Amino acid sequence: IAGITQAPTSQILAAGRRMTLRCTQDMRHNAMYWYRQDLGLGLRLIHYSNTAGTTGKGEVPDGYSVSRANTDDFPLTLASAVPSQTSVYFCASGLGDEQFFGPGTRLTVL
Amino acid sequence: AQSVTQLDSQVPVFEEAPVELRCNYSSSVSVYLFWYVQYPNQGLQLLLKYLSGSTLVKGINGFEAEFNKSQTSFHLRKPSVHISDTAEYFCAVINTGFQKLVFGTGTRLLVSP
Repeated sequence: IAGITQAPTSQILAAGRRMTLRCTQDMRHNAMYWYRQDLGLGLRLIHYSNTAGTTGKGEVPDGYSVSRANTDDFPLTLASAVPSQTSVYFCASGLGDEQFFGPGTRLTVL
Repeated sequence: AQSVTQLDSQVPVFEEAPVELRCNYSSSVSVYLFWYVQYPNQGLQLLLKYLSGSTLVKGINGFEAEFNKSQTSFHLRKPSVHISDTAEYFCAVINTGFQKLVFGTGTRLLVSP
């Protein structure tokens, strides 16, 4: 089934640890995005990539990095996790005006 | 820059009653407007979108929304809700140059029997 997969589904992480959230799409969309969802704040864009080999900063990029080595994969890395990064993270891919979302990763940083 | 306001954080309603979820946006340029739905423990899925043409847009599951440029609104409506419509609904805007999608804070629709 075509779509977006994210891994892990959930994770509990000690503060200071490094963590990479994985995102893979099989729709061959050029654009990909990472959002975090927090209660009362909706979804906020962390980083995006308009095409393989390019990335850009979104609204809340601090503490996160991304890479886009190929069209299908767009991993999000927390170099040194902090409790304020506790959130639900959604990856999305885009085609024109529409974005398609993955099932999310629930991350808890203690 | 665009912004989206969803004034109602939660809307309780009885089954088979009508519902309206409000969305207002601000932008200095032409925009496209979207409503996404998020069922519990799932990702977001597109409910409907306005790009151009008729200001009344029909989406999945019997939902519709009306684009009102003068009031900068894009309210979501359904004439008769079901228990299964219980979910979080997000309004979103993107400018016509396909820059970044901006989401509202969401409205939780709670449908009770």
